[in-house]
Amino acid sequence: EVQLVESGGGLVKPGGSLRLSCAASGFTFSSYSMNWVRQAPGRGLEWVSSITSSGSYIYSADSLKGRFTISRDNAKNSLYLQMHSLRAEDTAVYHCARDCDTSCSGLDVWGQGTTVTVSS
Amino acid sequence: QSVLTQPPSVSAAPGQKVTISCSGSSFNIGNNFVSWYQYFPGTAPKLLIYDNNKRPSGIPDRFSGSKSGTSATLGITGLQTGDEADYYCGTWDSSLSTGVFGGGTKLTVL
Repeated sequence: EVQLVESGGGLVKPGGSLRLSCAASGFTFSSYSMNWVRQAPGRGLEWVSSITSSGSYIYSADSLKGRFTISRDNAKNSLYLQMHSLRAEDTAVYHCARDCDTSCSGLDVWGQGTTVTVSS
Repeated sequence: QSVLTQPPSVSAAPGQKVTISCSGSSFNIGNNFVSWYQYFPGTAPKLLIYDNNKRPSGIPDRFSGSKSGTSATLGITGLQTGDEADYYCGTWDSSLSTGVFGGGTKLTVL
């Protein structure tokens, strides 16, 4: 079964750091670009960052550059999001999502998400 | 403020048809493929439409997608109460070099 499972969320104080993980299974992880997408309470989906299959190219929302860093370990079938200088507005459910393969455009597999709460 | 514009809500009766619009620009919808997602908060979003109008396997043909210029539309026919969810359009923005989503549309099946 194709599956993505996020972990690493929790309660963190403003200014703190957190590292999210996404474990992939059921497909050849190293062949797919991957993404992080978040949803803050009462708000819509927000694309956070993408990384190509080999990790050679990274794209991130301008508002998050310098604070959030996406990475991957293809040997461990894992995707990561390192978050620094967290703010209350980063409180959200963070989903990892797989790009369609190279012949299509869309995010075809999603995890259920991990919740990050930034509060003192 | 989302880059793509969707109506906040739409509603229709069971069995009826509804359309959800998604408006953008030449930087995003106008020159890139559009996808649509169904989202029940707290769960994993589901891809309904990719490449403007294609359905992944397992998605019923009650769901359809189209694109014209800088706008896209999701159509749902034969509405069921189980279709009540939030729906999002998404695409790539070539100017921002980022993915972008619409603000989401809440579908109510009356």
